[in-house]
Amino acid sequence: DVKVTQSSRYLVKRTGEKVFLECVQDMDHENMFWYRQDPGLGLRLIYFSYDVKMKEKGDIPEGYSVSREKKERFSLILESASTNQTSMYLCASSLGGRPLHNYGYTFGSGTRLTVV
Amino acid sequence: KNQVEQSPQSLIILEGKNCTLQCNYTVSPFSNLRWYKQDTGRGPVSLTIMTFSENTKSNGRYTATLDADTKQSSLHITASQLSDSASYICVVSAQAGTALIFGKGTTLSVSS
Repeated sequence: DVKVTQSSRYLVKRTGEKVFLECVQDMDHENMFWYRQDPGLGLRLIYFSYDVKMKEKGDIPEGYSVSREKKERFSLILESASTNQTSMYLCASSLGGRPLHNYGYTFGSGTRLTVV
Repeated sequence: KNQVEQSPQSLIILEGKNCTLQCNYTVSPFSNLRWYKQDTGRGPVSLTIMTFSENTKSNGRYTATLDADTKQSSLHITASQLSDSASYICVVSAQAGTALIFGKGTTLSVSS
């Protein structure tokens, strides 16, 4: 069964900590995405990547960075966590290069991050 | 501006009843429309995907319809079960876009 795996279901971090959220997909997908999901706001795109070492900003990149050193792995980094980054974080991947045709779009199970 | 609006925001129905969720979009040029089911605390799971030429797509008790002329879609759930309790998200892809446009979802609660 094809999968997008996020390393942690739940995380609690302190304000100011550097936080790494890891995502791995086993479908050989070119595209990978990071979203955050908040009540009443829906899913919002933080960053995406359409190839190894490539990244592009989404709608809300401030306070975040990403790393894609290997095709199957896409990491989201919170350089200095703040309480307003408490959220559900979802990773996704899809087939295709550019433009992003989004075929085979698959989500991970999510990481619930709480910053205290 | 590309937008996806879903209604109702929330819905409560009795087990065994049918229900219909609505999705209106202003995305242009349109590529495809998807419905996702998201259980509480989990990631979204795809139910159906429809392109411009498709009017109806079924997945078990879930049937999605698409009217590309009026830019409306609906998701019909037949003989609801307790396990249908979830958030249902409508997502539209533009032909020239770099990302999907998400609706805010409809929260369905099925009670016994």
